[in-house]
Formats: sequence, C-alpha cells, structure tokens
Amino acid sequence: EAGVVQSPRYKIIEKKQPVAFWCNPISGHNTLYWYLQNLGQGPELLIRYENEEAVDDSQLPKDRFSAERLKGVDSTLKIQPAELGDSAVYLCASSPGPDRGHANEQFFGPGTRLTVL
Amino acid sequence: AQSVTQLGSHVSVSEGALVLLRCNYSSSVPPYLFWYVQYPNQGLQLLLKYTSAATLVKGINGFEAEFKKSETSFHLTKPSAHMSDAAEYFCAVSHSGNTGKLIFGQGTTLQVKP
Repeated sequence: EAGVVQSPRYKIIEKKQPVAFWCNPISGHNTLYWYLQNLGQGPELLIRYENEEAVDDSQLPKDRFSAERLKGVDSTLKIQPAELGDSAVYLCASSPGPDRGHANEQFFGPGTRLTVL
Repeated sequence: AQSVTQLGSHVSVSEGALVLLRCNYSSSVPPYLFWYVQYPNQGLQLLLKYTSAATLVKGINGFEAEFKKSETSFHLTKPSAHMSDAAEYFCAVSHSGNTGKLIFGQGTTLQVKP
C-alpha cells in the first residue's frame, strides 16, 4: 500500500513569493490533515478535511494561507505571499475517518521543507 | 483543553541500556494517546497507541508504553536501546470522540551512544 505522498520535498523561495504544496493521501482515506512543524517542535494542525469539506481550519492563517481538496482526494496548501517566519516543514497526514474505527490514527507523509529567504 | 508535556528535550543512553521517554497529558475527557517517531528528513511513524483498552500497550521495534490515569502519564520504554533507535519521539493526545485533532508534545531527541 502506497503511503502519503507529498511534493516537493524541499522548496526555497524568496519572501513575498507564492508557494504551493501538494499532498496525495492513502487511497480510501477520507480525512486529510495539514500540519506545520517548526524546528525543534511538534507538529501543529493547520487544517483538517473530511472528504472535500474543511471541518477545522481554526489554526490556518487565512490572510496568507489557503487550502483546497477538490474531489475529496489530493490537496494543495498555498502561501501567498510567503514570509520569513513561514520557514518550516509542512506535513500532510491522512486517516481512514472517524467512522472507521482507527481511533484517530494518522499516517504522515515525508513533509515539505520550506525555506524562505 | 488538551495538552501534552514531554519531560526532557534530549535523552542520551548507551546502546543496550533502558530507554525511558516521559510524557504527561492533560485532558478533560478520556484520551487517545500516541507515540510517534521521526527520523531525519522523514515524516512521523506511529510506534503505538492507547485507545482505552489494555493500559500496557506494545508497539513496533520493541517499544511499549503504559497508560497511568492517576499520574496522567504515558511514558515510552524499551528494555535495550539500539543505535537505530536514535530519532525524535513525539507523544500526542487526541479526543476520544474521534474529532481527529492530534495535540503533540515538543518532542524528545533520543541519542544512543555506542
């Protein structure tokens, strides 16, 4: 079974430029998460999708961040414009969903390491 | 509100020695608890999880953790450390109501010395 796929793995941009990250979850997983992981810290949830609906985006800085999950499969996270403080690892995770008995177990992708210069 | 505290940002052990990584949680409702491991430049991999069944949970790679409600703890242990265990370890708590949101601790870096 293929795991969660993310691209690109690394991205270096200058501040004020836009950037986008892509995630393809495990096949059949209805729930998709985007996390932000700063250096030396644990991941923090940015947004959670149930199928194509964003059910928790309370931690997403909506002035510059946006996300979409068209057709309820893969997802894109965008930052526009990027700031120096956005340098971090952006992790995508998926899970079978709240009604599939996996007790919130989440499967993580390798992440995208963003560096903003 | 839920939270997780991992005591010790860095733990160093000798190869073959006991590994003990500490995790305390705060939750107003019955929690689900998880330990994840992260190797350099990789995503998080689930080691084990507690979901209100047996309080002693066995995971992959010889790790286990014990849920102690009275101490609000979920410490991770391994009897004998291997060099390959060197990594970052994260404890996480989730609402047992299946909201899906994981709250992570700050992480503990495990160093294994030869």
